[in-house]
Amino acid sequence: EAQVTQNPRYLITVTGKKLTVTCSQNMNHEYMSWYRQDPGLGLRQIYYSMNVEVTDKGDVPEGYKVSRKEKRNFPLILESPSPNQTSLYFCASSPRWRSLVADEQYFGPGTRLTVT
Amino acid sequence: AQTVTQSQPEMSVQEAETVTLSCTYDTSESDYYLFWYKQPPSRQMILVIRQEAYKQQNATENRFSVNFQKAAKSFSLKISDSQLGDAAMYFCAYRGSNYKLTFGKGTLLTVNP
Repeated sequence: EAQVTQNPRYLITVTGKKLTVTCSQNMNHEYMSWYRQDPGLGLRQIYYSMNVEVTDKGDVPEGYKVSRKEKRNFPLILESPSPNQTSLYFCASSPRWRSLVADEQYFGPGTRLTVT
Repeated sequence: AQTVTQSQPEMSVQEAETVTLSCTYDTSESDYYLFWYKQPPSRQMILVIRQEAYKQQNATENRFSVNFQKAAKSFSLKISDSQLGDAAMYFCAYRGSNYKLTFGKGTLLTVNP
């Protein structure tokens, strides 16, 4: 089954304790992206990756890191989490070359992160 | 930068009735895609319908249809014969040449039995 998986689905942590949220897709997609969702703000892009070893900042990259060493994986790293990073996080992927902008993004199930 | 505006934070509809959710966007690009996503209480993001900017014909998917007005930069979603399962948060989204999805803030739809 074609899917995007995220782990963990729920995480409660404390300020300053490094964490990684994993994202993996099995569709051989070039493009991957991370979003955070906050009440009243919709979804905002954190980082994205056009292909392996190619990553760039989205709208709200502060406090986050990413890496793209393999095509299927795109982990989100919080080096020193803070309470303002409490949010719902989504990973998404899409193919790149079938059409420049045509393809829908496939979303993972979301990760609910609480930083105390 | 592109922006997407959903002016209705909340909407309600009676079961079996029709409801229209509004969305406007701002862009300088001529080739782009517009999407409506549904987010039920499970939090999963589900694609409802998409519209290619170069197509004049409005997209339709079963009970869901859009009214795409390119000159006015408007992209509304019409849900016909509303069902209880349609209750969800609905997000309008824009995707341009940089692949990035820009979302509106969402409209919470309630369906009353």
